[in-house]
Amino acid sequence: DAGVTQSPTHLIKTRGQQVTLRCSPKSGHDTVSWYQQALGQGPQFIFQYYEEEERQRGNFPDRFSGHQFPNYSSELNVNALLLGDSALYLCASSTGRALRAQYFGPGTRLTVL
Amino acid sequence: SQQGEEDPQALSIQEGENATMNCSYKTSINNLQWYRQNSGRGLVHLILIRSNEREKHSGRLRVTLDTSKKSSSLLITASRAADTASYFCATWNNAGNMLTFGGGTRLMVKP
Repeated sequence: DAGVTQSPTHLIKTRGQQVTLRCSPKSGHDTVSWYQQALGQGPQFIFQYYEEEERQRGNFPDRFSGHQFPNYSSELNVNALLLGDSALYLCASSTGRALRAQYFGPGTRLTVL
Repeated sequence: SQQGEEDPQALSIQEGENATMNCSYKTSINNLQWYRQNSGRGLVHLILIRSNEREKHSGRLRVTLDTSKKSSSLLITASRAADTASYFCATWNNAGNMLTFGGGTRLMVKP
């Protein structure tokens, strides 16, 4: 039973570019959340997708957008990259309505130069 | 802003000793969770304690919750070098669709 997978593992971009990160949830899970984790800090909630819709959004600008597909996989898109977007991006999945434990992927390390 | 704040920020102990980490949060909760993160990797869920529970055990882990003080503690008994990691508490918002993490406690267990 595959857990949460993310791709790519590492990514290097330059300021102003756009990036797409991908996530496949754990088998049987239908809810995907994305988090940004800067070095030495706790994960910050970006948004959550359920039934292909954004259900909740954290305090992130519109440059951050996402999508969930019918197979429950998800993408995180970041436009007009800034140096401050350099971080570990984590995807987590769970089932149905929340209040449950989240299962995290290994993350994508994004470096913006 | 972060819902939970862990204390201490960093902790260094010898193998075999107990490690205690504390978490404070700001608003009412349905449950509180603890996660572990090995260096630069994904988080692993350790334990979930509901708001009507005061204490919960899982192996060498013991979690307490005091809703009157809006605080929780995680105790790791008989620590091992493999317990070296960052530990985070996390709480859901009222709608249950946003999980907020604290800043974490970085635990180092020396062999």
